[in-house]
Formats: sequence, C-alpha cells, structure tokens
Amino acid sequence: QSALTQEASVSGTVGQKVTLSCTGNSNNIGSYAVGWYQQISHGAPKTVMFGNSLPSGIPDRFSGSKSGTTASLTISGLQPEDEADYYCSTWDYSLSARVFGGGTKLTVL
Amino acid sequence: EVQLVESGGGLVQPGGSLRLSCAASGFTFSSYAMSWVRQAPGKGLEWVSAISGSGGSTYYADSVKGRFTISRDNSKNTLYLQMNSLRAEDTAVYYCAKALGATVTTEFDPWGQGTLVTVSS
Repeated sequence: QSALTQEASVSGTVGQKVTLSCTGNSNNIGSYAVGWYQQISHGAPKTVMFGNSLPSGIPDRFSGSKSGTTASLTISGLQPEDEADYYCSTWDYSLSARVFGGGTKLTVL
Repeated sequence: EVQLVESGGGLVQPGGSLRLSCAASGFTFSSYAMSWVRQAPGKGLEWVSAISGSGGSTYYADSVKGRFTISRDNSKNTLYLQMNSLRAEDTAVYYCAKALGATVTTEFDPWGQGTLVTVSS
C-alpha cells in the first residue's frame, strides 16, 4: 500500500478540465512540496509539475496546488497526448524516505 | 541540456550483485542530490535510494536497506547503485533522477531513460 493515495483511474474528453488528487499526511505532503510525474506507456517518467511550478517545456494547461495534506494536478483543456499514468511524490520526514502515490491512469476519451 | 544516462543493468542470478551507473552532464553535478527509483513490471514507481549533493547523506527504502549502497563520484559526474544479495523482487527498470537542489527532500527533474535489471536463475 502506497503512502500517498491517488485515484486509480480518471477519464475525460478532449478539451475538458480534469483534476488528479494525491492525499498524504502532515509528515509528507503537509511539510514538503509535491512533484507530479507523467509516464506514457511505461516509458521514462517526465516531470510535469514541482510544487506549483511548471518545468520548462510543459504546457501551461498543467497546474498544481496543495491544501493541507492533499495535492492536486489540474489539466485544463485535456489533449489526447495527455493520456498517461501520473504519479505524485514527496519527502516524508518521519520515514526519512521519499514516498510515491500508486499512480492514476488518465484516459482521454 | 541536462542528461542522465544509466548503464549496468542486465540478467543476474538470485543472490548475485550488480552495479548501476548514471552518467550526468549539463549541470554542476555536485550541487544536486540524486536518487534511484525503480519500476517492477506492471507496477508503479518505487523510490530506492537518495544521496545529497556532497555525498555526505544517504537514504534507503526499507526494501533495499542493508543490500544496496548508493554513492557518487563528483569528479566523474557519476552516480552509482551497488546492489548485493539480489532477489527476484528486485527485478525492475531502474531510473536515476536529479533533484532540484542539494538536499534529498526536493523533487526530481529530469529522469534518465532507465536500465533493466532482471534477477532470475
């Protein structure tokens, strides 16, 4: 069982806005910034958000936020190429370890 | 351009050893923490180990503690993962990832392309 909880699957149509969530506790999400990683067809992960900052080259339809112990990744104007698995991750100071969510499979209908 | 290139993966028997390398370029290697993350077939991402920019602090997942050792050679811009007493459950693609700062608590960007480790008799 993952330390961070994500939806197993989310779907949306082209152009729609979707939000993926990542829930942890005060030891991890409540204390550190959260990263979001996109993985297409089990290729190498790609960072799409760290904290609420966009890495270079990531379209601005991606945005991130955090409230307490829950982080969210929102994709506004969903595109077919956004179909992928998305993982959240952060540091956990009580474990002295990095933790990942189980991943959300995003399907673009 | 930041580049991370892993190597050293392969087929190894249970109980055997393997050393993975991650060659880094395009940034001041010693200024950034680094991590290893793995993905077993059909599974999600699992963090394995992290090391600070200076190499003075190291951290491990419980699943590999005592068997794996992370290290870095800042003069060679290379990260390593020495894996001993390998088990079937260590079979995975292993990725190295650059942290956003010198400490291990910061997020990753970018990741390498991965190297496959298969533990089987």
